[in-house]
Amino acid sequence: EPEVTQTPSHQVTQMGQEVILRCVPISNHLYFYWYRQILGQKVEFLVSFYNNEISEKSEIFDDQFSVERPDGSNFTLKIRSTKLEDSAMYFCASEWGQGEAGYTFGSGTRLTVV
Amino acid sequence: QKEVEQNSGPLSVPEGAIASLNCTYSDRGSQSFFWYRQYSGKSPELIMSIYSNGDKEDGRFTAQLNKASQYVSLLIRDSQPSDSATYLCAVVDNAGNMLTFGGGTRLMVKP
Repeated sequence: EPEVTQTPSHQVTQMGQEVILRCVPISNHLYFYWYRQILGQKVEFLVSFYNNEISEKSEIFDDQFSVERPDGSNFTLKIRSTKLEDSAMYFCASEWGQGEAGYTFGSGTRLTVV
Repeated sequence: QKEVEQNSGPLSVPEGAIASLNCTYSDRGSQSFFWYRQYSGKSPELIMSIYSNGDKEDGRFTAQLNKASQYVSLLIRDSQPSDSATYLCAVVDNAGNMLTFGGGTRLMVKP
C-alpha cells in the first residue's frame, strides 16, 4: 500500500536554529498538508498546498514557517528560528481529491527544541 | 471558530463488547466526516469516512452521522485489545480543505 514518507523520524535542535522537515507524499496525490500535534493536545492544521502554492494556512503558520515542493516528489516544511513551543510531532499528509476520501498521514517527525 | 468535541475518556469496555464513541461539531456547513485511530506516539490512521446521514458499515466498524444534530459516532463491535487506542473524529468544512480534529477519545479494551 502506498505510503507518505517523512524524514527524519526525530529531530533535536537548539532554540533559534532552523529545521527542515521532509515528506514524500503518495505519488499521484495532488493535495498536501502539514499538521502538528503538541504532546497531549489536538492535531492542528498548519497549511495546505496545491498546484505549487499554499491554498490555506492557519494562524499558527506565521512568518516563521514556510513550505516548498522543490521537485516532483518532496514536500518540505521549514521552521526558522525555532522556539521551545515548536516542540511537537509534525505530520505530513496527502490526498488525491480535496477533502474527498480522507488523508493518508506520514509517520511523523518528532521535533524537540532544547 | 470551528470546534469538534469528543469525550476524552478513557472509555473502558470488555473484550467482545461494543464500544461507542461520539463526536459533535459546530460548523453546520461541514461536509465530510472521518474517524482516525491513533496509537500512542504514532500518526493518525484513517478507519472510516462518512458523508451523508445514516449509517455506514465496514467490517466491525459502523459510522453514524446526523447532520441535523451535528453529531457523528463510531461503533466498534466485538472489541479487541488491539483496538485500544485514541480515536479521533475529524471534520472537513464546506471549503473542503482542512481537517479539524477533535481531541480524541481514549479507548481501552480489557481482555
